[in-house]
Amino acid sequence: DAKTTQPNSMESNEEEPVHLPCNHSTISGTDYIHWYRQLPSQGPEYVIHGLTSNVNNRMASLAIAEDRKSSTLILHRATLRDAAVYYCILMGGGTSYGKLTFGQGTILTVHP
Amino acid sequence: DGGITQSPKYLFRKEGQNVTLSCEQNLNHDAMYWYRQDPGQGLRLIYYSQIVNDFQKGDIAEGYSVSREKKESFPLTVTSAQKNPTAFYLCASRSNRAGSYGYTFGSGTRLTVV
Repeated sequence: DAKTTQPNSMESNEEEPVHLPCNHSTISGTDYIHWYRQLPSQGPEYVIHGLTSNVNNRMASLAIAEDRKSSTLILHRATLRDAAVYYCILMGGGTSYGKLTFGQGTILTVHP
Repeated sequence: DGGITQSPKYLFRKEGQNVTLSCEQNLNHDAMYWYRQDPGQGLRLIYYSQIVNDFQKGDIAEGYSVSREKKESFPLTVTSAQKNPTAFYLCASRSNRAGSYGYTFGSGTRLTVV
């Protein structure tokens, strides 16, 4: 499985933008880039995903490098509820999926 | 509302006992997964099933067993052979349709050996 590399932790102030980086230099052409986040004692929650183009939804934006070897999850205005562990994951394309491999993720701390 | 229900939320097991964790989904998803999470760690895959009556071992299947008799249900049994079962267990599901989104996770079961 292609692996991802994320910083162990990041900090932000409330209402400021946050850019969470992810490196995936061995990504294959059919791998989608997915982001999940996990609050304490809860299951991970889907945030956003993309293939080649930048993506926006109500939660966040995903900026994907032109060579697809890295991506950045952007929270436009961090709130205290955004404090969580953020996972960047590669998921193969097609109609049948196997296992999803989670790394350690990035612990995001948001200061009031 | 559709989702995944895991029960119980907390479970205590005596050493040598088998226990079964429940996972039910009403999302009509084809694939279901069991993950284990230890404190400060990422998720590790135990077992997964892409269709009814079929399942595959994940990275840490030893000491665990599963069944998939119905599309909606994917129970996990933690057997006495699992030497360190205390952990947070997460069930997930996803559709096998092309272009579908990622995983939907349950809220987890915290298992403690006493």
